Amino acid sequence: NAGVTQTPKFRILKIGQSMTLQCTQDMNHNYMYWYRQDPGMGLKLIYYSVGAGITDKGEVPNGYNVSRSTTEDFPLRLELAAPSQTSVYFCASATHINQPQHFGDGTRLSIL
Amino acid sequence: AQSVSQHNHHVILSEAASLELGCNYSYGGTVNLFWYVQYPGQHLQLLLKYFSGDPLVKGIKGFEAEFIKSKFSFNLRKPSVQWSDTAEYFCAVQTGANNLFFGTGTRLTVIP
Repeated sequence: NAGVTQTPKFRILKIGQSMTLQCTQDMNHNYMYWYRQDPGMGLKLIYYSVGAGITDKGEVPNGYNVSRSTTEDFPLRLELAAPSQTSVYFCASATHINQPQHFGDGTRLSIL
Repeated sequence: AQSVSQHNHHVILSEAASLELGCNYSYGGTVNLFWYVQYPGQHLQLLLKYFSGDPLVKGIKGFEAEFIKSKFSFNLRKPSVQWSDTAEYFCAVQTGANNLFFGTGTRLTVIP
Protein backbone atom coordinates (compact mmCIF):
# COMPACT_ATOMS: atom_id res chain seq x y z
CA ASN A 1 0.00 0.00 0.00
CA ALA A 2 1.74 3.17 -1.22
CA GLY A 3 -0.18 5.65 0.97
CA VAL A 4 0.65 9.26 0.13
CA THR A 5 3.24 9.71 -2.63
CA GLN A 6 4.97 13.00 -3.34
CA THR A 7 7.17 13.84 -6.30
CA PRO A 8 9.79 15.13 -6.73
CA LYS A 9 11.71 14.61 -3.48
CA PHE A 10 14.13 17.45 -4.17
CA ARG A 11 14.11 20.39 -6.54
CA ILE A 12 16.08 23.58 -7.06
CA LEU A 13 14.37 26.43 -8.86
CA LYS A 14 15.47 29.85 -10.03
CA ILE A 15 13.53 32.91 -8.93
CA GLY A 16 10.53 33.42 -11.20
CA GLN A 17 10.32 29.83 -12.42
CA SER A 18 7.17 27.81 -11.98
CA MET A 19 6.64 24.21 -11.04
CA THR A 20 4.08 21.73 -9.79
CA LEU A 21 4.56 19.52 -6.75
CA GLN A 22 2.68 16.28 -7.22
CA CYS A 23 0.75 14.43 -4.54
CA THR A 24 -1.28 11.29 -4.97
CA GLN A 25 -2.90 8.93 -2.49
CA ASP A 26 -4.35 5.47 -3.00
CA MET A 27 -6.45 5.27 0.16
CA ASN A 28 -9.57 6.86 -1.33
CA HIS A 29 -9.33 9.69 1.20
CA ASN A 30 -11.57 12.66 0.57
CA TYR A 31 -9.52 15.13 2.60
CA MET A 32 -6.14 16.26 1.34
CA TYR A 33 -3.76 18.94 2.59
CA TRP A 34 -0.59 20.79 1.65
CA TYR A 35 1.74 22.05 4.37
CA ARG A 36 5.09 23.76 4.37
CA GLN A 37 7.67 23.22 7.08
CA ASP A 38 10.28 25.89 7.57
CA PRO A 39 13.40 25.31 9.71
CA GLY A 40 12.59 25.52 13.41
CA MET A 41 8.91 26.00 12.70
CA GLY A 42 5.87 23.81 12.80
CA LEU A 43 3.87 22.87 9.74
CA LYS A 44 1.69 25.56 8.26
CA LEU A 45 -1.34 24.76 6.11
CA ILE A 46 -1.21 26.15 2.58
CA TYR A 47 -4.34 24.71 0.97
CA TYR A 48 -6.72 21.88 1.62
CA SER A 49 -9.43 19.98 -0.20
CA VAL A 50 -12.49 18.19 1.15
CA GLY A 51 -13.14 16.28 -2.04
CA ALA A 52 -12.74 16.31 -5.79
CA GLY A 53 -13.53 19.72 -7.20
CA ILE A 54 -13.40 21.49 -3.83
CA THR A 55 -10.41 23.40 -2.51
CA ASP A 56 -9.90 26.15 0.03
CA LYS A 57 -7.13 28.32 1.43
CA GLY A 58 -5.25 27.51 4.56
CA GLU A 59 -3.06 29.74 6.71
CA VAL A 60 -0.38 30.64 4.12
CA PRO A 61 -1.86 30.37 0.59
CA ASN A 62 -0.17 33.34 -1.10
CA GLY A 63 2.01 32.36 -4.05
CA TYR A 64 0.41 28.95 -4.47
CA ASN A 65 -2.47 27.36 -6.32
CA VAL A 66 -4.06 23.94 -6.15
CA SER A 67 -6.53 21.82 -8.04
CA ARG A 68 -8.40 18.62 -7.21
CA SER A 69 -9.77 17.07 -10.36
CA THR A 70 -9.70 13.54 -8.92
CA THR A 71 -9.91 12.02 -5.45
CA GLU A 72 -6.38 10.66 -5.76
CA ASP A 73 -4.43 13.73 -6.89
CA PHE A 74 -3.84 17.09 -5.27
CA PRO A 75 -1.06 19.01 -7.06
CA LEU A 76 0.41 22.23 -5.67
CA ARG A 77 1.50 24.87 -8.14
CA LEU A 78 4.07 27.63 -7.67
CA GLU A 79 3.65 30.19 -10.45
CA LEU A 80 6.51 32.64 -9.76
CA ALA A 81 8.96 31.06 -7.37
CA ALA A 82 10.39 33.35 -4.70
CA PRO A 83 13.19 32.71 -2.17
CA SER A 84 10.61 32.87 0.63
CA GLN A 85 9.10 29.68 -0.74
CA THR A 86 12.22 27.68 0.03
CA SER A 87 10.88 25.03 2.37
CA VAL A 88 9.93 21.40 2.79
CA TYR A 89 6.45 20.69 1.51
CA PHE A 90 4.29 17.91 2.90
CA CYS A 91 1.12 16.52 1.44
CA ALA A 92 -1.31 14.69 3.70
CA SER A 93 -4.66 12.95 3.44
CA ALA A 94 -7.39 11.79 5.80
CA THR A 95 -10.67 9.95 5.65
CA HIS A 96 -12.46 12.63 7.62
CA ILE A 97 -11.71 15.98 9.21
CA ASN A 98 -11.57 14.34 12.63
CA GLN A 99 -9.24 11.55 11.62
CA PRO A 100 -5.44 11.56 11.76
CA GLN A 101 -3.68 12.68 8.64
CA HIS A 102 -1.34 10.44 6.68
CA PHE A 103 1.72 12.25 5.40
CA GLY A 104 3.90 11.86 2.35
CA ASP A 105 7.71 11.87 2.51
CA GLY A 106 7.95 15.55 1.61
CA THR A 107 9.46 17.62 -1.18
CA ARG A 108 12.49 19.72 -0.36
CA LEU A 109 12.37 22.84 -2.51
CA SER A 110 15.12 25.44 -2.78
CA ILE A 111 14.70 28.66 -4.71
CA LEU A 112 17.86 30.51 -5.60
CA ALA B 1 -5.52 33.15 17.48
CA GLN B 2 -4.92 29.52 18.26
CA SER B 3 -1.36 28.47 18.99
CA VAL B 4 0.52 25.39 20.03
CA SER B 5 3.63 25.70 22.17
CA GLN B 6 6.36 23.15 22.55
CA HIS B 7 8.79 24.71 24.96
CA ASN B 8 11.56 22.13 24.63
CA HIS B 9 13.35 22.68 21.35
CA HIS B 10 16.04 20.06 21.81
CA VAL B 11 16.17 17.35 24.44
CA ILE B 12 19.16 15.08 24.93
CA LEU B 13 18.78 11.94 27.03
CA SER B 14 20.70 8.78 27.74
CA GLU B 15 19.11 5.45 26.96
CA ALA B 16 16.72 4.23 29.67
CA ALA B 17 16.05 7.76 30.89
CA SER B 18 12.45 8.89 31.22
CA LEU B 19 11.00 11.37 28.78
CA GLU B 20 8.40 14.08 29.06
CA LEU B 21 7.81 16.57 26.25
CA GLY B 22 5.55 19.50 26.94
CA CYS B 23 2.73 20.71 24.72
CA ASN B 24 0.38 23.56 25.54
CA TYR B 25 -2.26 25.12 23.37
CA SER B 26 -4.42 28.21 23.44
CA TYR B 27 -8.02 27.47 22.51
CA GLY B 28 -11.04 27.42 24.74
CA GLY B 29 -13.25 25.05 22.80
CA THR B 30 -13.29 21.35 22.05
CA VAL B 31 -10.06 20.04 20.60
CA ASN B 32 -8.60 16.89 19.10
CA LEU B 33 -4.98 16.35 20.07
CA PHE B 34 -2.17 14.53 18.30
CA TRP B 35 1.47 13.71 18.65
CA TYR B 36 3.37 13.00 15.45
CA VAL B 37 6.94 11.73 15.16
CA GLN B 38 9.36 12.35 12.31
CA TYR B 39 12.35 10.02 12.22
CA PRO B 40 15.42 11.26 10.35
CA GLY B 41 14.75 11.31 6.64
CA GLN B 42 11.19 10.07 7.01
CA HIS B 43 7.72 11.53 6.88
CA LEU B 44 5.54 12.35 9.85
CA GLN B 45 3.85 9.41 11.50
CA LEU B 46 1.06 9.42 14.03
CA LEU B 47 2.24 8.47 17.51
CA LEU B 48 -1.04 8.83 19.38
CA LYS B 49 -4.25 10.82 19.42
CA TYR B 50 -6.91 12.03 21.82
CA PHE B 51 -10.48 12.77 20.76
CA SER B 52 -12.50 12.14 23.92
CA GLY B 53 -12.80 9.79 26.89
CA ASP B 54 -9.89 8.68 29.06
CA PRO B 55 -7.45 11.60 29.14
CA LEU B 56 -4.51 9.21 29.38
CA VAL B 57 -3.89 7.81 25.93
CA LYS B 58 -1.41 5.19 24.90
CA GLY B 59 0.28 5.14 21.56
CA ILE B 60 2.79 3.10 19.68
CA LYS B 61 6.28 2.19 20.89
CA GLY B 62 5.47 2.67 24.57
CA PHE B 63 4.54 6.35 24.33
CA GLU B 64 1.64 7.85 26.21
CA ALA B 65 0.19 11.31 26.66
CA GLU B 66 -2.10 12.91 29.19
CA PHE B 67 -4.69 15.54 28.34
CA ILE B 68 -5.15 17.99 31.20
CA LYS B 69 -7.97 20.26 30.13
CA SER B 70 -7.53 22.76 32.95
CA LYS B 71 -3.91 23.30 31.95
CA PHE B 72 -4.51 23.20 28.17
CA SER B 73 -1.75 20.63 28.01
CA PHE B 74 -1.08 17.35 26.26
CA ASN B 75 2.36 16.21 27.39
CA LEU B 76 4.06 13.22 25.84
CA ARG B 77 5.80 10.66 28.08
CA LYS B 78 7.83 7.51 27.83
CA PRO B 79 9.26 5.74 30.90
CA SER B 80 12.45 4.51 29.23
CA VAL B 81 13.74 5.87 25.93
CA GLN B 82 15.77 3.96 23.38
CA TRP B 83 18.33 5.14 20.86
CA SER B 84 15.74 4.43 18.14
CA ASP B 85 13.49 7.12 19.63
CA THR B 86 15.83 9.78 18.27
CA ALA B 87 13.51 11.89 16.14
CA GLU B 88 11.56 15.12 16.03
CA TYR B 89 8.23 15.17 17.83
CA PHE B 90 5.35 17.43 16.89
CA CYS B 91 2.28 18.19 18.91
CA ALA B 92 -0.82 19.14 16.90
CA VAL B 93 -4.17 20.53 17.94
CA GLN B 94 -7.31 20.37 15.83
CA THR B 95 -9.87 23.02 16.70
CA GLY B 96 -12.40 22.58 13.92
CA ALA B 97 -12.92 21.67 10.33
CA ASN B 98 -9.48 21.56 8.74
CA ASN B 99 -7.95 23.67 11.50
CA LEU B 100 -4.94 21.60 12.51
CA PHE B 101 -2.20 23.59 14.18
CA PHE B 102 1.26 22.19 14.73
CA GLY B 103 3.82 23.11 17.34
CA THR B 104 7.36 23.96 16.29
CA GLY B 105 8.61 20.51 17.21
CA THR B 106 11.01 19.08 19.78
CA ARG B 107 14.12 17.32 18.64
CA LEU B 108 14.97 14.33 20.82
CA THR B 109 18.47 12.90 20.77
CA VAL B 110 19.01 9.67 22.68
CA ILE B 111 22.61 8.80 23.46
CA PRO B 112 23.41 5.08 23.61
